[in-house]
Amino acid sequence: GENVEQHPSTLSVQEGDSAVIKCTYSDSASNYFPWYKQELGKRPQLIIDIRSNVGEKKDQRIAVTLNKTAKHFSLHITETQPEDSAVYFCAASIKNKLIFGAGTRLAVHP
Amino acid sequence: ETGVTQSPTHLIKTRGQQVTLRCSSQSGHNTVSWYQQALGQGPQFIFQYYREEENGRGNFPPRFSGLQFPNYSSELNVNALELDDSALYLCASSKSAGGLGEKLFFGSGTQLSVL
Repeated sequence: GENVEQHPSTLSVQEGDSAVIKCTYSDSASNYFPWYKQELGKRPQLIIDIRSNVGEKKDQRIAVTLNKTAKHFSLHITETQPEDSAVYFCAASIKNKLIFGAGTRLAVHP
Repeated sequence: ETGVTQSPTHLIKTRGQQVTLRCSSQSGHNTVSWYQQALGQGPQFIFQYYREEENGRGNFPPRFSGLQFPNYSSELNVNALELDDSALYLCASSKSAGGLGEKLFFGSGTQLSVL
Protein backbone atom coordinates (compact mmCIF):
# COMPACT_ATOMS: atom_id res chain seq x y z
CA GLY A 1 0.00 0.00 0.00
CA GLU A 2 0.90 3.65 -0.12
CA ASN A 3 2.42 4.62 3.18
CA VAL A 4 4.99 6.99 4.65
CA GLU A 5 6.12 6.46 8.22
CA GLN A 6 7.77 9.31 10.10
CA HIS A 7 9.76 9.25 13.34
CA PRO A 8 9.89 10.61 15.93
CA SER A 9 6.47 12.14 16.48
CA THR A 10 7.93 14.70 18.88
CA LEU A 11 11.48 15.98 19.23
CA SER A 12 12.85 18.36 21.82
CA VAL A 13 16.34 19.85 21.46
CA GLN A 14 18.40 22.64 22.95
CA GLU A 15 19.19 25.64 20.81
CA GLY A 16 22.34 24.97 18.82
CA ASP A 17 21.90 21.20 18.80
CA SER A 18 21.10 19.17 15.68
CA ALA A 19 17.75 17.56 14.92
CA VAL A 20 17.14 14.54 12.72
CA ILE A 21 13.78 13.32 11.45
CA LYS A 22 13.48 10.04 9.59
CA CYS A 23 10.94 8.71 7.11
CA THR A 24 10.39 5.47 5.28
CA TYR A 25 8.16 4.95 2.26
CA SER A 26 6.55 1.89 0.75
CA ASP A 27 6.25 2.49 -2.99
CA SER A 28 9.49 1.91 -4.88
CA ALA A 29 8.14 4.04 -7.74
CA SER A 30 8.31 7.18 -5.57
CA ASN A 31 10.84 9.59 -7.06
CA TYR A 32 10.33 12.91 -5.30
CA PHE A 33 10.64 13.59 -1.57
CA PRO A 34 9.78 17.04 -0.22
CA TRP A 35 9.84 18.27 3.36
CA TYR A 36 7.34 20.79 4.66
CA LYS A 37 7.40 22.97 7.76
CA GLN A 38 4.07 23.95 9.28
CA GLU A 39 3.81 26.52 12.04
CA LEU A 40 0.71 26.64 14.18
CA GLY A 41 -2.27 27.88 12.19
CA LYS A 42 -0.25 28.36 9.02
CA ARG A 43 0.18 26.66 5.67
CA PRO A 44 2.74 23.91 5.07
CA GLN A 45 5.85 25.53 3.57
CA LEU A 46 8.25 23.64 1.35
CA ILE A 47 11.70 23.85 2.94
CA ILE A 48 13.73 21.37 0.91
CA ASP A 49 13.16 18.54 -1.53
CA ILE A 50 15.17 15.80 -3.16
CA ARG A 51 14.69 13.72 -6.26
CA SER A 52 15.54 10.05 -6.63
CA ASN A 53 18.63 10.62 -8.74
CA VAL A 54 20.38 12.42 -5.86
CA GLY A 55 21.54 10.99 -2.55
CA GLU A 56 21.96 14.20 -0.58
CA LYS A 57 21.02 17.86 -0.81
CA LYS A 58 21.92 20.74 1.46
CA ASP A 59 20.58 24.24 1.90
CA GLN A 60 22.31 26.25 4.61
CA ARG A 61 21.38 24.62 7.93
CA ILE A 62 19.12 21.96 6.51
CA ALA A 63 20.00 18.84 4.55
CA VAL A 64 18.14 15.83 3.28
CA THR A 65 19.55 12.37 2.57
CA LEU A 66 17.92 9.62 0.54
CA ASN A 67 18.59 5.89 0.51
CA LYS A 68 16.47 4.47 -2.30
CA THR A 69 17.53 0.90 -1.65
CA ALA A 70 16.30 1.04 1.92
CA LYS A 71 13.44 3.43 1.07
CA HIS A 72 14.61 5.83 3.77
CA PHE A 73 15.03 9.58 3.73
CA SER A 74 15.95 11.95 6.50
CA LEU A 75 15.92 15.65 7.35
CA HIS A 76 18.87 17.09 9.23
CA ILE A 77 18.74 20.52 10.85
CA THR A 78 21.99 21.83 12.32
CA GLU A 79 22.51 24.70 14.76
CA THR A 80 18.82 24.72 15.62
CA GLN A 81 17.16 28.00 16.57
CA PRO A 82 13.89 28.68 18.43
CA GLU A 83 12.27 29.74 15.15
CA ASP A 84 12.82 26.20 13.85
CA SER A 85 10.09 25.09 16.28
CA ALA A 86 7.19 23.76 14.16
CA VAL A 87 5.69 20.56 12.82
CA TYR A 88 7.71 18.99 10.01
CA PHE A 89 6.18 16.67 7.42
CA CYS A 90 7.97 14.40 5.01
CA ALA A 91 6.25 13.24 1.84
CA ALA A 92 6.82 10.85 -1.03
CA SER A 93 5.39 11.19 -4.50
CA ILE A 94 3.27 8.49 -6.07
CA LYS A 95 2.28 9.40 -9.62
CA ASN A 96 0.75 12.86 -9.29
CA LYS A 97 0.14 12.97 -5.56
CA LEU A 98 2.11 13.28 -2.35
CA ILE A 99 1.75 10.84 0.52
CA PHE A 100 2.59 12.60 3.77
CA GLY A 101 3.98 11.29 7.00
CA ALA A 102 2.14 11.99 10.25
CA GLY A 103 4.50 14.80 11.21
CA THR A 104 7.17 15.54 13.80
CA ARG A 105 6.63 18.28 16.34
CA LEU A 106 10.03 19.90 16.89
CA ALA A 107 10.58 22.10 19.93
CA VAL A 108 13.83 24.07 20.18
CA HIS A 109 14.46 25.40 23.68
CA PRO A 110 16.60 28.51 24.22
CA GLU B 1 3.77 33.91 0.50
CA THR B 2 3.00 31.37 -2.21
CA GLY B 3 0.36 33.24 -4.21
CA VAL B 4 -2.18 30.47 -3.61
CA THR B 5 -5.29 31.94 -2.02
CA GLN B 6 -8.20 30.12 -0.44
CA SER B 7 -11.60 31.24 0.77
CA PRO B 8 -13.19 31.27 3.19
CA THR B 9 -10.59 30.93 5.95
CA HIS B 10 -13.04 29.46 8.43
CA LEU B 11 -16.44 27.83 8.06
CA ILE B 12 -18.94 26.26 10.44
CA LYS B 13 -21.57 23.89 9.09
CA THR B 14 -23.96 21.30 10.49
CA ARG B 15 -24.22 17.65 9.56
CA GLY B 16 -25.97 17.01 6.28
CA GLN B 17 -25.21 20.43 4.83
CA GLN B 18 -23.17 21.12 1.72
CA VAL B 19 -20.06 23.29 1.45
CA THR B 20 -18.03 24.87 -1.34
CA LEU B 21 -14.40 25.88 -0.83
CA ARG B 22 -12.48 28.00 -3.29
CA CYS B 23 -8.88 28.25 -4.42
CA SER B 24 -6.94 30.52 -6.75
CA SER B 25 -3.72 29.02 -7.99
CA GLN B 26 -0.35 30.73 -8.18
CA SER B 27 0.34 32.64 -11.38
CA GLY B 28 1.78 30.33 -14.02
CA HIS B 29 0.43 27.19 -12.38
CA ASN B 30 -2.16 25.10 -14.22
CA THR B 31 -2.69 22.29 -11.72
CA VAL B 32 -4.55 22.33 -8.43
CA SER B 33 -4.56 19.59 -5.81
CA TRP B 34 -6.76 19.41 -2.74
CA TYR B 35 -5.72 17.88 0.56
CA GLN B 36 -7.55 17.25 3.83
CA GLN B 37 -5.57 17.72 7.03
CA ALA B 38 -7.21 16.39 10.18
CA LEU B 39 -5.96 17.71 13.51
CA GLY B 40 -2.55 16.29 14.37
CA GLN B 41 -2.13 14.46 11.06
CA GLY B 42 -0.44 14.94 7.75
CA PRO B 43 -2.36 16.16 4.70
CA GLN B 44 -4.26 13.50 2.76
CA PHE B 45 -4.73 13.71 -1.00
CA ILE B 46 -8.35 14.24 -2.10
CA PHE B 47 -7.94 14.86 -5.83
CA GLN B 48 -6.10 16.85 -8.47
CA TYR B 49 -7.38 18.98 -11.34
CA TYR B 50 -5.39 19.60 -14.51
CA ARG B 51 -6.77 21.44 -17.52
CA GLU B 52 -10.26 21.39 -15.99
CA GLU B 53 -10.32 17.59 -15.65
CA GLU B 54 -9.94 15.42 -12.56
CA ASN B 55 -6.47 13.89 -12.77
CA GLY B 56 -6.29 11.42 -9.91
CA ARG B 57 -8.28 10.85 -6.76
CA GLY B 58 -7.52 9.64 -3.25
CA ASN B 59 -9.63 7.48 -0.96
CA PHE B 60 -12.50 9.92 -0.56
CA PRO B 61 -16.18 9.16 -1.28
CA PRO B 62 -18.04 10.64 -4.27
CA ARG B 63 -19.65 13.29 -2.06
CA PHE B 64 -16.29 15.04 -2.37
CA SER B 65 -16.25 16.64 -5.80
CA GLY B 66 -14.44 19.44 -7.53
CA LEU B 67 -14.16 21.77 -10.45
CA GLN B 68 -11.40 23.64 -12.20
CA PHE B 69 -12.12 26.74 -14.23
CA PRO B 70 -10.38 28.07 -17.38
CA ASN B 71 -8.34 30.47 -15.24
CA TYR B 72 -7.10 27.41 -13.25
CA SER B 73 -8.92 28.36 -10.07
CA SER B 74 -10.73 25.51 -8.40
CA GLU B 75 -13.59 24.57 -6.10
CA LEU B 76 -13.99 21.71 -3.68
CA ASN B 77 -17.56 20.68 -2.91
CA VAL B 78 -18.57 18.39 -0.09
CA ASN B 79 -22.14 17.14 0.15
CA ALA B 80 -23.92 15.54 3.09
CA LEU B 81 -21.33 16.75 5.59
CA GLU B 82 -20.32 14.39 8.38
CA LEU B 83 -18.65 15.20 11.70
CA ASP B 84 -15.43 13.54 10.49
CA ASP B 85 -15.21 16.05 7.64
CA SER B 86 -14.05 18.62 10.19
CA ALA B 87 -10.51 19.43 9.10
CA LEU B 88 -8.23 21.94 7.44
CA TYR B 89 -8.70 21.80 3.67
CA LEU B 90 -5.58 22.76 1.78
CA CYS B 91 -5.30 23.70 -1.84
CA ALA B 92 -1.93 23.37 -3.57
CA SER B 93 -0.94 24.52 -7.01
CA SER B 94 1.88 23.32 -9.24
CA LYS B 95 3.24 24.15 -12.66
CA SER B 96 2.00 20.91 -14.19
CA ALA B 97 0.39 17.63 -13.30
CA GLY B 98 3.29 16.12 -11.45
CA GLY B 99 5.45 13.94 -13.64
CA LEU B 100 8.92 13.79 -12.11
CA GLY B 101 7.89 15.53 -8.93
CA GLU B 102 6.39 18.96 -9.21
CA LYS B 103 6.81 21.31 -6.28
CA LEU B 104 3.52 21.90 -4.51
CA PHE B 105 2.78 25.30 -3.03
CA PHE B 106 0.01 25.37 -0.46
CA GLY B 107 -2.58 27.98 0.36
CA SER B 108 -3.40 28.87 3.96
CA GLY B 109 -6.35 26.54 4.00
CA THR B 110 -9.99 26.60 4.99
CA GLN B 111 -10.74 25.38 8.50
CA LEU B 112 -14.07 23.54 8.31
CA SER B 113 -15.96 22.64 11.47
CA VAL B 114 -18.98 20.35 11.20
CA LEU B 115 -21.29 20.39 14.22
